[in-house]
Amino acid sequence: DAGITQSPRHKVTETGTPVTLRCHQTENHRYMYWYRQDPGHGLRLIHYSYGVKDTDKGEVSDGYSVSRSKTEDFLLTLESATSSQTSVYFCAAKRGGTYNEQFFGPGTRLTVL
Amino acid sequence: SQQGEEDPQALSIQEGENATMNCSYKTSINNLQWYRQNSGRGLVHLILIRSNEREKHSGRLRVTLDTSKKSSSLLITASRAADTASYFCATAPQKTSYDKVIFGPGTSLSVIP
Repeated sequence: DAGITQSPRHKVTETGTPVTLRCHQTENHRYMYWYRQDPGHGLRLIHYSYGVKDTDKGEVSDGYSVSRSKTEDFLLTLESATSSQTSVYFCAAKRGGTYNEQFFGPGTRLTVL
Repeated sequence: SQQGEEDPQALSIQEGENATMNCSYKTSINNLQWYRQNSGRGLVHLILIRSNEREKHSGRLRVTLDTSKKSSSLLITASRAADTASYFCATAPQKTSYDKVIFGPGTSLSVIP
Protein backbone atom coordinates (compact mmCIF):
# COMPACT_ATOMS: atom_id res chain seq x y z
CA ASP A 1 0.00 0.00 0.00
CA ALA A 2 3.08 2.26 -0.08
CA GLY A 3 2.13 3.79 3.24
CA ILE A 4 -1.19 5.32 2.21
CA THR A 5 -3.82 5.73 4.88
CA GLN A 6 -7.29 7.19 4.72
CA SER A 7 -9.44 8.57 7.50
CA PRO A 8 -12.09 8.01 8.48
CA ARG A 9 -12.64 4.52 7.11
CA HIS A 10 -16.38 4.71 7.54
CA LYS A 11 -18.68 7.70 7.92
CA VAL A 12 -22.40 8.23 8.02
CA THR A 13 -23.63 11.78 7.67
CA GLU A 14 -26.75 13.71 6.83
CA THR A 15 -27.63 15.59 3.69
CA GLY A 16 -26.35 19.16 3.72
CA THR A 17 -23.48 18.65 6.14
CA PRO A 18 -19.85 19.26 5.15
CA VAL A 19 -17.54 16.27 5.13
CA THR A 20 -13.75 16.08 4.87
CA LEU A 21 -11.85 12.93 4.01
CA ARG A 22 -8.14 12.73 4.58
CA CYS A 23 -5.45 10.89 2.67
CA HIS A 24 -1.95 10.58 4.05
CA GLN A 25 1.10 9.10 2.32
CA THR A 26 4.59 8.46 3.63
CA GLU A 27 6.49 7.89 0.37
CA ASN A 28 6.81 11.49 -0.81
CA HIS A 29 4.97 10.76 -4.07
CA ARG A 30 4.38 13.80 -6.22
CA TYR A 31 0.96 12.93 -7.59
CA MET A 32 -2.15 12.20 -5.57
CA TYR A 33 -5.67 11.34 -6.70
CA TRP A 34 -9.15 11.02 -5.28
CA TYR A 35 -11.55 8.53 -6.88
CA ARG A 36 -15.03 7.37 -6.13
CA GLN A 37 -16.15 3.82 -6.80
CA ASP A 38 -19.76 2.95 -7.58
CA PRO A 39 -21.22 -0.28 -8.93
CA GLY A 40 -20.94 -0.51 -12.70
CA HIS A 41 -18.69 2.54 -12.98
CA GLY A 42 -15.30 1.36 -11.87
CA LEU A 43 -13.24 4.18 -10.43
CA ARG A 44 -13.94 7.73 -11.49
CA LEU A 45 -11.48 10.53 -10.90
CA ILE A 46 -12.76 13.38 -8.73
CA HIS A 47 -9.69 15.61 -8.31
CA TYR A 48 -5.96 15.17 -8.49
CA SER A 49 -2.85 16.97 -7.36
CA TYR A 50 0.49 17.34 -9.12
CA GLY A 51 2.26 19.08 -6.28
CA VAL A 52 1.75 21.09 -3.13
CA LYS A 53 -1.08 23.55 -3.73
CA ASP A 54 -1.37 22.34 -7.33
CA THR A 55 -4.69 20.64 -7.97
CA ASP A 56 -7.11 20.17 -10.82
CA LYS A 57 -10.51 18.70 -11.56
CA GLY A 58 -11.25 15.19 -12.69
CA GLU A 59 -14.30 13.88 -14.49
CA VAL A 60 -16.75 14.02 -11.55
CA SER A 61 -15.64 17.08 -9.58
CA ASP A 62 -18.97 18.85 -9.03
CA GLY A 63 -19.73 19.16 -5.32
CA TYR A 64 -16.15 18.36 -4.27
CA SER A 65 -13.11 20.44 -3.44
CA VAL A 66 -9.57 19.44 -2.48
CA SER A 67 -6.55 20.89 -0.82
CA ARG A 68 -2.92 19.86 -0.57
CA SER A 69 -0.88 22.02 1.80
CA LYS A 70 1.80 19.38 2.36
CA THR A 71 3.23 16.68 0.11
CA GLU A 72 1.93 13.94 2.37
CA ASP A 73 -1.68 15.08 2.83
CA PHE A 74 -4.50 15.39 0.33
CA LEU A 75 -7.93 16.40 1.64
CA LEU A 76 -11.25 15.88 -0.11
CA THR A 77 -14.17 18.05 1.03
CA LEU A 78 -17.82 17.64 0.26
CA GLU A 79 -19.11 21.14 0.85
CA SER A 80 -22.73 20.07 1.36
CA ALA A 81 -23.16 16.32 1.17
CA THR A 82 -25.92 14.85 -0.98
CA SER A 83 -27.25 11.30 -1.19
CA SER A 84 -25.68 10.96 -4.65
CA GLN A 85 -22.28 11.25 -2.98
CA THR A 86 -22.83 8.02 -1.08
CA SER A 87 -19.93 5.96 -2.35
CA VAL A 88 -16.60 4.40 -1.54
CA TYR A 89 -13.76 6.90 -1.88
CA PHE A 90 -10.21 5.89 -2.69
CA CYS A 91 -7.07 7.92 -2.53
CA ALA A 92 -4.03 7.03 -4.63
CA ALA A 93 -0.49 8.29 -4.95
CA LYS A 94 2.14 7.95 -7.63
CA ARG A 95 5.71 8.88 -8.38
CA GLY A 96 6.30 11.09 -11.37
CA GLY A 97 6.87 9.41 -14.72
CA THR A 98 4.63 7.82 -17.30
CA TYR A 99 5.44 4.21 -16.43
CA ASN A 100 4.88 4.15 -12.70
CA GLU A 101 1.87 2.63 -11.02
CA GLN A 102 -0.59 4.15 -8.58
CA PHE A 103 -0.68 2.99 -4.97
CA PHE A 104 -4.08 2.97 -3.32
CA GLY A 105 -5.33 3.53 0.17
CA PRO A 106 -7.86 1.19 1.81
CA GLY A 107 -10.88 3.36 1.01
CA THR A 108 -13.51 5.32 2.93
CA ARG A 109 -17.12 4.19 2.85
CA LEU A 110 -19.34 7.28 3.03
CA THR A 111 -23.09 7.11 3.49
CA VAL A 112 -25.16 10.27 3.15
CA LEU A 113 -28.66 9.92 4.60
CA SER B 1 -18.30 7.05 -22.25
CA GLN B 2 -15.49 5.09 -20.67
CA GLN B 3 -12.04 4.72 -22.15
CA GLY B 4 -11.64 1.13 -20.99
CA GLU B 5 -14.20 -1.62 -20.95
CA GLU B 6 -13.50 -5.04 -19.48
CA ASP B 7 -15.10 -8.20 -20.75
CA PRO B 8 -16.66 -10.28 -19.32
CA GLN B 9 -18.25 -8.39 -16.44
CA ALA B 10 -18.20 -11.56 -14.35
CA LEU B 11 -16.35 -14.84 -14.66
CA SER B 12 -16.64 -18.01 -12.59
CA ILE B 13 -14.14 -20.86 -12.95
CA GLN B 14 -12.86 -23.89 -11.09
CA GLU B 15 -9.60 -23.80 -9.23
CA GLY B 16 -6.74 -24.82 -11.52
CA GLU B 17 -8.36 -23.47 -14.68
CA ASN B 18 -7.10 -20.45 -16.57
CA ALA B 19 -8.96 -17.14 -16.45
CA THR B 20 -8.91 -14.66 -19.32
CA MET B 21 -10.18 -11.10 -19.12
CA ASN B 22 -10.22 -8.59 -21.92
CA CYS B 23 -10.02 -4.82 -22.02
CA SER B 24 -10.89 -2.57 -24.95
CA TYR B 25 -10.15 1.12 -25.13
CA LYS B 26 -10.79 4.00 -27.47
CA THR B 27 -7.85 6.39 -27.72
CA SER B 28 -4.11 5.97 -28.22
CA ILE B 29 -2.30 5.17 -25.01
CA ASN B 30 1.15 5.38 -23.43
CA ASN B 31 0.59 2.30 -21.32
CA LEU B 32 -2.07 -0.01 -19.98
CA GLN B 33 -2.17 -1.34 -16.44
CA TRP B 34 -4.06 -4.08 -14.66
CA TYR B 35 -5.11 -3.83 -11.03
CA ARG B 36 -6.73 -6.27 -8.63
CA GLN B 37 -9.20 -5.42 -5.90
CA ASN B 38 -10.13 -7.86 -3.18
CA SER B 39 -13.51 -7.34 -1.58
CA GLY B 40 -13.53 -4.31 0.68
CA ARG B 41 -9.94 -3.37 -0.08
CA GLY B 42 -8.04 -0.87 -2.18
CA LEU B 43 -6.66 -1.64 -5.62
CA VAL B 44 -3.31 -3.33 -6.03
CA HIS B 45 -1.20 -2.91 -9.13
CA LEU B 46 -0.48 -6.15 -11.01
CA ILE B 47 1.32 -5.33 -14.21
CA LEU B 48 2.01 -2.48 -16.65
CA ILE B 49 2.54 -2.90 -20.37
CA ARG B 50 3.91 -0.10 -22.51
CA SER B 51 2.39 0.81 -25.85
CA ASN B 52 5.44 -0.55 -27.70
CA GLU B 53 5.23 -3.93 -25.95
CA ARG B 54 3.08 -6.81 -27.14
CA GLU B 55 3.31 -9.25 -24.26
CA LYS B 56 4.46 -9.26 -20.68
CA HIS B 57 4.65 -11.89 -17.96
CA SER B 58 4.69 -11.74 -14.20
CA GLY B 59 4.44 -15.03 -12.34
CA ARG B 60 1.12 -16.62 -13.31
CA LEU B 61 0.01 -13.46 -15.13
CA ARG B 62 0.33 -12.89 -18.84
CA VAL B 63 -0.76 -9.63 -20.44
CA THR B 64 -1.01 -8.96 -24.14
CA LEU B 65 -1.56 -5.66 -25.89
CA ASP B 66 -2.77 -5.12 -29.44
CA THR B 67 -2.65 -1.40 -30.17
CA SER B 68 -4.08 -1.88 -33.67
CA LYS B 69 -7.24 -3.34 -32.13
CA LYS B 70 -7.03 -1.15 -29.03
CA SER B 71 -7.37 -4.16 -26.78
CA SER B 72 -5.55 -6.04 -24.05
CA SER B 73 -6.02 -9.35 -22.32
CA LEU B 74 -5.04 -10.59 -18.88
CA LEU B 75 -4.51 -14.31 -18.47
CA ILE B 76 -4.23 -15.87 -15.02
CA THR B 77 -2.96 -19.43 -15.28
CA ALA B 78 -3.65 -22.23 -12.82
CA SER B 79 -6.09 -20.11 -10.85
CA ARG B 80 -6.42 -20.35 -7.09
CA ALA B 81 -9.25 -19.47 -4.73
CA ALA B 82 -7.12 -16.52 -3.58
CA ASP B 83 -7.38 -15.05 -7.10
CA THR B 84 -11.06 -14.33 -6.43
CA ALA B 85 -11.27 -10.56 -6.84
CA SER B 86 -12.24 -7.80 -9.24
CA TYR B 87 -9.77 -6.95 -11.97
CA PHE B 88 -9.54 -3.53 -13.59
CA CYS B 89 -7.69 -2.29 -16.61
CA ALA B 90 -6.45 1.29 -16.54
CA THR B 91 -5.29 3.14 -19.60
CA ALA B 92 -2.94 6.12 -19.73
CA PRO B 93 -4.07 8.13 -22.77
CA GLN B 94 -1.32 9.75 -24.77
CA LYS B 95 -2.92 13.17 -24.67
CA THR B 96 -3.38 13.51 -20.95
CA SER B 97 -1.72 15.47 -18.24
CA TYR B 98 -0.28 14.70 -14.84
CA ASP B 99 -0.07 10.96 -15.24
CA LYS B 100 -3.78 10.35 -15.04
CA VAL B 101 -5.23 6.98 -15.95
CA ILE B 102 -8.78 5.92 -16.76
CA PHE B 103 -10.23 2.82 -15.16
CA GLY B 104 -12.73 0.46 -16.70
CA PRO B 105 -15.70 -0.97 -14.76
CA GLY B 106 -13.89 -4.20 -13.97
CA THR B 107 -14.30 -7.96 -14.24
CA SER B 108 -15.42 -9.90 -11.18
CA LEU B 109 -13.59 -13.22 -11.01
CA SER B 110 -14.76 -16.07 -8.78
CA VAL B 111 -12.50 -19.09 -8.42
CA ILE B 112 -14.34 -22.05 -6.96
CA PRO B 113 -12.24 -24.42 -4.84
